[in-house]
Amino acid sequence: QSVLTQPPSVSGAPGQRVTISCTGSNSNFGADYDVHWYQQLPGTAPKLLIHANNNRPSGVPDRFSGSKSGTSASLAISGLQAEDEADYYCQSYDRRLSAYVFGTGTKVTVL
Amino acid sequence: QVQLQESGPGLVKPSETLSLTCNVSGGSVSSGDFYWHWIRQTPGGGLEWIGYVYYSGNSNYNPSFKSRVSISMDTSENQFSLRLAAVTAADTAVYYCATVLVANFWFFDVWGRGALVTVSS
Repeated sequence: QSVLTQPPSVSGAPGQRVTISCTGSNSNFGADYDVHWYQQLPGTAPKLLIHANNNRPSGVPDRFSGSKSGTSASLAISGLQAEDEADYYCQSYDRRLSAYVFGTGTKVTVL
Repeated sequence: QVQLQESGPGLVKPSETLSLTCNVSGGSVSSGDFYWHWIRQTPGGGLEWIGYVYYSGNSNYNPSFKSRVSISMDTSENQFSLRLAAVTAADTAVYYCATVLVANFWFFDVWGRGALVTVSS
């Protein structure tokens, strides 16, 4: 039931900048619901990375930034590091489904 | 900070009821500061919100689960529980409990480590 679409994978060399897109619709992002991002390291639970479009919880490096415009959102990782290799998920609320919804997930590989 | 730990059977037979418990430490389920949620992650990686319960006893569920799901809390044990009826192989997943601060409402602050539940005869 993933109504938020992400690319399956992105990759980059250490130090590079990568971006992950998250495409929604008029019933979530277009209805003014925020985007939130989670990082899932191998074998662990998802962890909140960005909330309310571009707010980092305490402890999250400022290399991570987010944005939202219209029915799309994106997460940027600058100065890519080996420890950033993980799965990343966007999340919002969908008023048509009356449910919290997640993106399809993107695997980030550090070359 | 609140910490969560899921527990329950790792194997459930088709058509039976899946039951999981989330033990809460560092906070109280009786607190009006949090909503107490369940989320699952299928073997393919997809995340799906199941529902939540609030200290008042009010609950809200993902309509895709229709009448199969129930989330309740036990204040004496400081825990909350998930029951999912009539399970099939499609319900095989890692089940997470998670918190949402009332002040935030829209995103999941803290997650448990997850509990793998396999539906198989």
